[in-house]
Amino acid sequence: AQSVAQPEDQVNVAEGNPLTVKCTYSVSGNPYLFWYVQYPNRGLQFLLKYITGDNLVKGSYGFEAEFNKSQTSFHLKKPSALVSDSALYFCAVRDKGGYNKLIFGAGTRLAVHP
Amino acid sequence: GAGVSQTPSNKVTEKGKYVELRCDPISGHTALYWYRQSLGQGPEFLIYFQGTGAADDSGLPNDRFFAVRPEGSVSTLKIQRTERGDSAVYLCASSLGQGVGEAFFGQGTRLTVV
Repeated sequence: AQSVAQPEDQVNVAEGNPLTVKCTYSVSGNPYLFWYVQYPNRGLQFLLKYITGDNLVKGSYGFEAEFNKSQTSFHLKKPSALVSDSALYFCAVRDKGGYNKLIFGAGTRLAVHP
Repeated sequence: GAGVSQTPSNKVTEKGKYVELRCDPISGHTALYWYRQSLGQGPEFLIYFQGTGAADDSGLPNDRFFAVRPEGSVSTLKIQRTERGDSAVYLCASSLGQGVGEAFFGQGTRLTVV
């Protein structure tokens, strides 16, 4: 069965410092991976996706993610965190069923402190 | 509107009652998904529509849950004989349905069964 794991419930980082939110996956074959962000009282917003090609994927709001096949990871990164980045982040993998059904991780809460 | 619209935003119902949750997808999106997000967890897939038909309803937890999309646009998630365990945020998403594209999520309906 396909799955993603987000090993950290919460990540704390000071504003201006780099941030990393971790995600590992378990998929047979080539994975299609996504990151979504959820702000309070708002729906999930798409950040970026990896389908194929370059291992470093750039997305919205200055975020990027690095696909690492040998480590089965897809960590989300940003060079300089903003307080406004504080939110709940979800990693997801597309199901193999041939359509865009997503299997989500449990989420990681990012707290950026001034 | 430009995004996925879900109504109501909040619904409180008594145990044993029937509820309907509505989703209005982005115009032109043929694929529609329902997810359920319990507190502290990632969204869990319920059902997927391609056009009017339910192509995958494997995530529906039991036969109290049913969803329709009669004209291939608006969808309604129906829950009979609600139980306290049904309390969650119900998320709707839509996508173009072609290729590996991101899904666009609504703000969700927070269902509370008392």
